[in-house]
Amino acid sequence: QVQLVESGGGLVKPGGSLRLSCAASGFTFSDYYMSWIRQAPGKGLEWVSYISSSGSTIYYADSVKGRFTISRDNAKNSLYLQMNSLRAEDTAVYYCARDLDYGGNSNFDYWGQGTLVTVSS
Amino acid sequence: SSELTQDPAVSVALGQTVRITCQGDSLRSYYASWYQQKPGQAPVLVIYGKNNRPSGIPDRFSGSSSGNTASLTITGAQAEDEADYYCNSRDSSGNLVVFGGGTKLTVL
Repeated sequence: QVQLVESGGGLVKPGGSLRLSCAASGFTFSDYYMSWIRQAPGKGLEWVSYISSSGSTIYYADSVKGRFTISRDNAKNSLYLQMNSLRAEDTAVYYCARDLDYGGNSNFDYWGQGTLVTVSS
Repeated sequence: SSELTQDPAVSVALGQTVRITCQGDSLRSYYASWYQQKPGQAPVLVIYGKNNRPSGIPDRFSGSSSGNTASLTITGAQAEDEADYYCNSRDSSGNLVVFGGGTKLTVL
């Protein structure tokens, strides 16, 4: 069965860095676009970034552009998010999600359990 | 980018029908996807495309679209449908992804 398991979250000071990982299993990872989506405490969902199946196409939300870097290793079935220059407003649960390629839209059919990132001094 | 607008809260009597809406310019070009999220859990995809349900999603969930508005309809709402519901689509450029602010559904 499809599984997505995030790791790497934790407490970090403002201006610090953190690298999130997402281990995928149960499907052919290299066939799918993947995204990071976050949810601040008590707030709604916010898309962060996506990466195409080959890694050649990448986009970021304006709120993280220039600070976050998404990448993937298809040989290791893994997705990553390098987060630099972290701010208090980056505090959130970060989910990795598989993108069901349908109709040109982003439809997230599988999600991990999330990893909490807290940015605080 | 563009925005998707949802009503913050909607309520429905047990067994009745409820419609949750999502508005945005990008919906003239893209179908919305819909997600259900219960407290402490990851979101679950319930509708995608014109009106497609992933395996395991009850057929009381359906989707529709007209102009710049997408709708999620629950026909015969159950107590277990009480949750937050989010819509999403690509933005008008087709490059970025946007989510609606979410609708909290209460089943009375």
